[in-house]
Amino acid sequence: GAGVSQSPSNKVTEKGKDVELRCDPISGHTALYWYRQSLGQGLEFLIYFQGNSAPDKSGLPSDRFSAERTGGSVSTLTIQRTQQEDSAVYLCASSLADGGGTQYFGPGTRLLVL
Amino acid sequence: GENVEQHPSTLSVQEGDSAVIKCTYSDSASNYFPWYKQELGKGPQLIIDIRSNVGEKKDQRIAVTLNKTAKHFSLHITETQPEDSAVYFCAATIKAAGNKLTFGGGTRVLVKP
Repeated sequence: GAGVSQSPSNKVTEKGKDVELRCDPISGHTALYWYRQSLGQGLEFLIYFQGNSAPDKSGLPSDRFSAERTGGSVSTLTIQRTQQEDSAVYLCASSLADGGGTQYFGPGTRLLVL
Repeated sequence: GENVEQHPSTLSVQEGDSAVIKCTYSDSASNYFPWYKQELGKGPQLIIDIRSNVGEKKDQRIAVTLNKTAKHFSLHITETQPEDSAVYFCAATIKAAGNKLTFGGGTRVLVKP
């Protein structure tokens, strides 16, 4: 079946604008994660959704970042008033609820804030 | 929180030789250790993983070993091929903490033909 998909694949925006990044997880996966990867760096956890539970937002770097997951499937990561330091690749992953940790990643959205 | 250190940051090997990447973790409650391969412009792809109840796992040319006492785990690639060139990430997670992965900083592997 289809893997995790993300859109857009690339996004260029001006400092101060808001952006929305979309993630479509693998069908049937109830857990969804967002990570941020700065150039040449590792991956930084941002937020985690599991079923109908309250999301774990412990990795969000500031209140400009928020995410929602509608209907337990598609998720949107929103960055308000973007800053140049927000430039990075934003990766989404999904897993089965009791998958024991196996996460499958999408291709990412490359965000550039000018 | 969990902290994962990965070494080396870059690794250059001759085709056919072996490559070894090592990671250490800080939280003794960590129980799942995946390895991901990331090619340029793509998302990370899981290549092998190991859980805390085993010490070694092998899949063709790739193997992972885990030392729970020392809190380190390693990726071994034998008979390296040019297509093995990529960035490799180790990660550790605590299932009780929602399976959030904490990643190492990555190792850029270059296999020279």
